[in-house]
Amino acid sequence: DGGITQSPKYLFRKEGQNVTLSCEQNLNHDAMYWYRQDPGQGLRLIYYSQIVNDFQKGDIAEGYSVSREKKESFPLTVTSAQKNPTAFYLCASSTFNGYTFGSGTRLTVV
Amino acid sequence: KNEVEQSPQNLTAQEGEFITINCSYSVGISALHWLQQHPGGGIVSLFMLSSGKKKHGRLIATINIQEKHSSLHITASHPRDSAVYICAVIYSGAGSYQLTFGKGTKLSVIP
Repeated sequence: DGGITQSPKYLFRKEGQNVTLSCEQNLNHDAMYWYRQDPGQGLRLIYYSQIVNDFQKGDIAEGYSVSREKKESFPLTVTSAQKNPTAFYLCASSTFNGYTFGSGTRLTVV
Repeated sequence: KNEVEQSPQNLTAQEGEFITINCSYSVGISALHWLQQHPGGGIVSLFMLSSGKKKHGRLIATINIQEKHSSLHITASHPRDSAVYICAVIYSGAGSYQLTFGKGTKLSVIP
């Protein structure tokens, strides 16, 4: 079945460490997205990519980085520059037909 | 900044009740999505619509473009419908297919 795989589901890191969240899709979608979700807030766009080797900053890109070397993969790195990294992170992909979301990664920085 | 407003924020219903969740937005859109998020966090797309009405099982979504308003209805609600329902829009002229999200409506259906 086609879909989006995010791993891991739960991730714990020490403050000051970089961490990379994985997102893989087998839907052949060109566009991919990373969103952050905090309690009581709507999802906010971190980065998006419309095509391989190209990506754009979203509303809250500071402290994050991405790459898009393959159509299927869009990993997100949470760097030590991100001041409040503890959150739920969702990856998504889309075509004109609609969106598909992953199951998310809950990152806790201690 | 373009906003998406949902009401109510929280909703508790008895099993079997008819449920309505509302969504309003501020400027023209090219499409509106209704999404469902279960406690585990994963999100499922329920509907994408740009006009009229769509139905899938016990779920019905309507949109009024002139009034910039959409509703999600659940008929004969069941405890398994308990989830957060999120409205999201693609504003006309938005790059790619970027979504702007509401904060969600938390629905609890009691047996």
